[in-house]
Amino acid sequence: EDQVTQSPEALRLQEGESSSLNCSYTVSGLRGLFWYRQDPGKGPEFLFTLYSAGEEKEKERLKATLTKKESFLHITAPKPEDSATYLCAAQGVAGNTPLVFGKGTRLSVIA
Amino acid sequence: NAGVTQTPKFQVLKTGQSMTLQCAQDMNHEYMSWYRQDPGMGLRLIHYSVGAGITDQGEVPNGYNVSRSTTEDFPLRLLSAAPSQTSVYFCASTPGTIDTGELFFGEGSRLTVL
Repeated sequence: EDQVTQSPEALRLQEGESSSLNCSYTVSGLRGLFWYRQDPGKGPEFLFTLYSAGEEKEKERLKATLTKKESFLHITAPKPEDSATYLCAAQGVAGNTPLVFGKGTRLSVIA
Repeated sequence: NAGVTQTPKFQVLKTGQSMTLQCAQDMNHEYMSWYRQDPGMGLRLIHYSVGAGITDQGEVPNGYNVSRSTTEDFPLRLLSAAPSQTSVYFCASTPGTIDTGELFFGEGSRLTVL
C-alpha cells in the first residue's frame, strides 16, 4: 500500500532559524513527489513537483530535494509569514494514479 | 478567474439528512476531485473525474455520490449524513491529467453532522 509519512508533526522556529521538514514515501514506482502549503482555514496551495532523485526546486526561502526514499523541504532564514502546514504527496507510476498525501508538518515561525 | 469555488463554506446537518456540496471551476480543467481532511489524517480522496461524463471512486467513496455533467461543475452528494462524515471537504482541479500533481484547491466546505 502506498504511504507517505511526514515528520515532525509540528515545528516551532525562531525567525531566521533554518531547518528541514521530512517526507518519507513508499509507493510502487514514483511518478512524482509534490509539496503544498496550507494556511489555516484555506485550501492547500501547490509549491513544487519533483520527479527524480537528485532533483531540487527552489522558491524564495524554500528548497525541496528528493532522494529515492524521501524528500526534504529546507527552509532558510524563515519569517513569520512562512508559518503554515506543509503537505507532501506522492504519486505512483500508473497513469492517472491519485495522489497520496501525508498528514503534514505544522510550522510556526516566531518573531 | 475565480479559480475553484465551493459552496457552502459551512453547513450543519442532522443524521440522516442529505445535501449537496457544490464545486465549480472556471479554468477549463479536465480533472476534478473531492477530498476530505480530518484532524490527524492526510487528505483522503473521495471521488474524482477525468472529464465530463466520467467519474471514479477514490479511497473513501462510501456514503457519497458524484456526477460530472459539465466540465465546470462537480457536485458531491451526501445521501444520508452520518456523524463520521463530519469533516472539511476540499474540491480540487487540474488541467489535463493528475500526473502533473499541481492541484488547484477550493477554500473548503466545513460540514458538521449531529
